[in-house]
Amino acid sequence: GAGVSQSPRYKVAKRGQDVALRCDPISGHVSLFWYQQALGQGPEFLTYFQNEAQLDKSGLPSDRFFAERPEGSVSTLKIQRTQQEDSAVYLCASSLTTGSTEAFFGQGTRLTVV
Amino acid sequence: SQELEQSPQSLIVQEGKNLTINCTSSKTLYGLYWYKQKYGEGLIFLMMLQKGGEEKSHEKITAKLDEKKQQSSLHITASQPSHAGIYLCGADVSSGYSTLTFGKGTMLLVSP
Repeated sequence: GAGVSQSPRYKVAKRGQDVALRCDPISGHVSLFWYQQALGQGPEFLTYFQNEAQLDKSGLPSDRFFAERPEGSVSTLKIQRTQQEDSAVYLCASSLTTGSTEAFFGQGTRLTVV
Repeated sequence: SQELEQSPQSLIVQEGKNLTINCTSSKTLYGLYWYKQKYGEGLIFLMMLQKGGEEKSHEKITAKLDEKKQQSSLHITASQPSHAGIYLCGADVSSGYSTLTFGKGTMLLVSP
């Protein structure tokens, strides 16, 4: 595709439910990032993949959060036993290479936990 | 950890007026990114600055990184309604793979 695609765009989950958020990066992009953006805040880093390797997961807020990119392209962010504080927009970004380079963002998935 | 402070938090300007948004870092910036975000949308890349004193322009938007590399400004000339949105600065935390720390954003409204 032409850009980074995320699905679903919107997700409402009941507290305690598991959710899976999908990111289709730009084809051929090596780097993939997940960010969490709370209302009125800037995005906060969650995790980084270089191809299929998860090189940094220091931003994941708890062990309920898990991300994977098994074939080095599509990535899934999974949140288990969702809590109200998980409500946020989850943004995925990809970039062609590692190092200082432009990252292209998807439109995000807005998760609301009720 | 590196922190970015943006000012102002929000801004309302009349169409045609100039404006400046500032981004101040608590540490030396190794790469400074400006993004624009419309409500409910993803981030649109505007510019990246790396060298102290660097200045880049795109259409009516100019961004500068000061010599000491701890502050950047984004200047919009002759603002238009299409400029409205949230402007975010992001700093490369120098992790080697461009993980970004973001400011909280500046919301810009342009009145006709």
